[in-house]
Amino acid sequence: QVHLQESGPRLVKPSQTLSLTCTVSGDSISSGDYYWTWIRQPPGKGPEWIAYIQHSGTTYYNPSLMSRITISVDTSKNQFSLKLNSVTAADTAVYFCARDLGGYLGYLDSWGQGSVVTVSS
Amino acid sequence: DIQMTQSPSSLSASVGDTVTITCRASQTINDYLNWYQQKPGKAPKVLIYGASRLQSGVPSRFSGSGSGTDFTLTISSLQPEDFATYFCQQTYSTPEITFGQGTRLDIK
Repeated sequence: QVHLQESGPRLVKPSQTLSLTCTVSGDSISSGDYYWTWIRQPPGKGPEWIAYIQHSGTTYYNPSLMSRITISVDTSKNQFSLKLNSVTAADTAVYFCARDLGGYLGYLDSWGQGSVVTVSS
Repeated sequence: DIQMTQSPSSLSASVGDTVTITCRASQTINDYLNWYQQKPGKAPKVLIYGASRLQSGVPSRFSGSGSGTDFTLTISSLQPEDFATYFCQQTYSTPEITFGQGTRLDIK
């Protein structure tokens, strides 16, 4: 069974860069044609999709965040990462990494436990 | 992007009740609709995919229906562990998936 775990700083200052890494265990990030996904959930709100990456390096970004996001994959470490720059208080949220099965009838079948990130000086 | 609107935003019910949550898409999404359950401090867990298909291991008291723009999640004979927040998610515009704002189900 695949397991995902987020890691990274929990407090980020305004205008700086938020960096998170998701470590995948129990399966190779290169197996299958999955979408390795970042999602965030502001306090009391619904989830918001941030970006996907596939093991090939193909990426898809939320258009509303695209100018501030970089997502990358390291298949040798079985990890994928998110960088969100120029953060503001509006970026305060729980950040989840997840695996999306993609395709018709796809859904997010495995999630990390979530990383609470606060943007504050 | 496709907007997903859930109703109600919250509801109260008792153990044994049957409840229905609705989700409306801003444009047709065929049956590209999933339902998730989220408990406090935890990640969401998929219950229903493809509008009506029950995820393996999910109790049969959960059911989903709908197609096009209007969808429902029904929970029959509520159990104590069902009190949680429920989200719908559309995958029609993959990779640009979007979620509803959530419905919180509380014990009356």
